[in-house]
Amino acid sequence: DQQVKQNSPSLSVQEGRISILNCDYTNSMFDYFLWYKKYPAEGPTFLISISSIKDKNEDGRFTVFLNKSAKHLSLHIVPSQPGDSAVYFCAASLRSGNTPLVFGKGTRLSVIA
Amino acid sequence: KAGVTQTPRYLIKTRGQQVTLSCSPISGHRSVSWYQQTPGQGLQFLFEYFSETQRNKGNFPGRFSGRQFSNSRSEMNVSTLELGDSALYLCASSLAGGTGGAMDFGPGTRLTVT
Repeated sequence: DQQVKQNSPSLSVQEGRISILNCDYTNSMFDYFLWYKKYPAEGPTFLISISSIKDKNEDGRFTVFLNKSAKHLSLHIVPSQPGDSAVYFCAASLRSGNTPLVFGKGTRLSVIA
Repeated sequence: KAGVTQTPRYLIKTRGQQVTLSCSPISGHRSVSWYQQTPGQGLQFLFEYFSETQRNKGNFPGRFSGRQFSNSRSEMNVSTLELGDSALYLCASSLAGGTGGAMDFGPGTRLTVT
């Protein structure tokens, strides 16, 4: 049973436009969510996170939105740049316990110049 | 700060053999987690070690094992390799592990089983 789902395997966006990456989760106990970015031949790097007590967290060009009732979060990248082309992984966890991060399968973002 | 290092970076093994992968966490990080990445399954959790003790284990067969040393370095071992074990094995470290914060990942070891 996949607890974290990224239903779009890939996404193409033009440079300068907004990229929106989506993630759904099934476990209502999850209270901490993260996004990681991964380039080929490198490990994932942490991008941004959000706690369930918030519905939005912003860091420069990156904003994560959380809709707890829909069990849905999204990552917005504005404006998109060619260097943003990578695989983006959504992850979720239970902050109150020592439980591992559960990852989605990833979305490959291609930003076209 | 020096990042998480993993050795070797690439490995080719034959079915039935065993393999040991190594991970050196960021200095001061006591938690080390291992993940398997395959194209169809994304990142799947293998196990987590904290202060030399396995604290969490994923849903993998007993052929997959690991350990952590007193300096927090970790190794994972896969015995009786199968073709399906071909994957990128990622190690991640953090100060406290669990969900205390984001983890720092190493570059991974690409294992190919033929």
